[in-house]
Amino acid sequence: KQEVTQIPAALSVPEGENLVLNCSFTDSAIYNLQWFRQDPGKGLTSLLLIQSSQREQTSGRLNASLDKSSGRSTLYIAASQPGDSATYLCAVSAGNQFYFGTGTSLTVIP
Amino acid sequence: NAGVMQNPRHLVRRRGQEARLRCSPMKGHSHVYWYRQLPEEGLKFMVYLQKENIIDESGMPKERFSAEFPKEGPSILRIQQVVRGDSAAYFCASSPPQSHEQYFGPGTRLTVT
Repeated sequence: KQEVTQIPAALSVPEGENLVLNCSFTDSAIYNLQWFRQDPGKGLTSLLLIQSSQREQTSGRLNASLDKSSGRSTLYIAASQPGDSATYLCAVSAGNQFYFGTGTSLTVIP
Repeated sequence: NAGVMQNPRHLVRRRGQEARLRCSPMKGHSHVYWYRQLPEEGLKFMVYLQKENIIDESGMPKERFSAEFPKEGPSILRIQQVVRGDSAAYFCASSPPQSHEQYFGPGTRLTVT
């Protein structure tokens, strides 16, 4: 059974810092991996989708990488801003569903 | 193109009542997924449906929970005789045919008193 783990569970950084969020999964048989952002009491906003055949995707200050063989993905956020404060969720698509990690709660301090 | 719509956004039910949660997928999407997010926990898959068919319900509790996606109208997640442990955020996602990318709705927050 696929299990997704995110480290760290919480992270606090000063504004302007670059940071990396980590995601690992146990079964490399995935269709894709997707990073989401969730604000308190809100739904999920898709940030980046990496297909299983891809190694990375970039959008603005965000860069996500995928290493299927080692079961790892990273989300790199450059020049962090207070507006980046949220919970970041990693999910892998396998079979008929997404398997989610429990998220990393990010706080960017002004 | 409107996103995935869910209603109501907030629902309060007393123990023993029924809860009906609705999800309208994005236009052109024929696949619907339901997930539950318990407080301090990650999202857990419940059920995957296509029009008029349940494809995978491996995440659904065996009793009191049911889901449908009729030919016309939204997908419905129905919880009968709710208990306090059903209090959670319920998210719906949709995807187009031949794709594994899911688009999420804003969720319905169910509170059982």
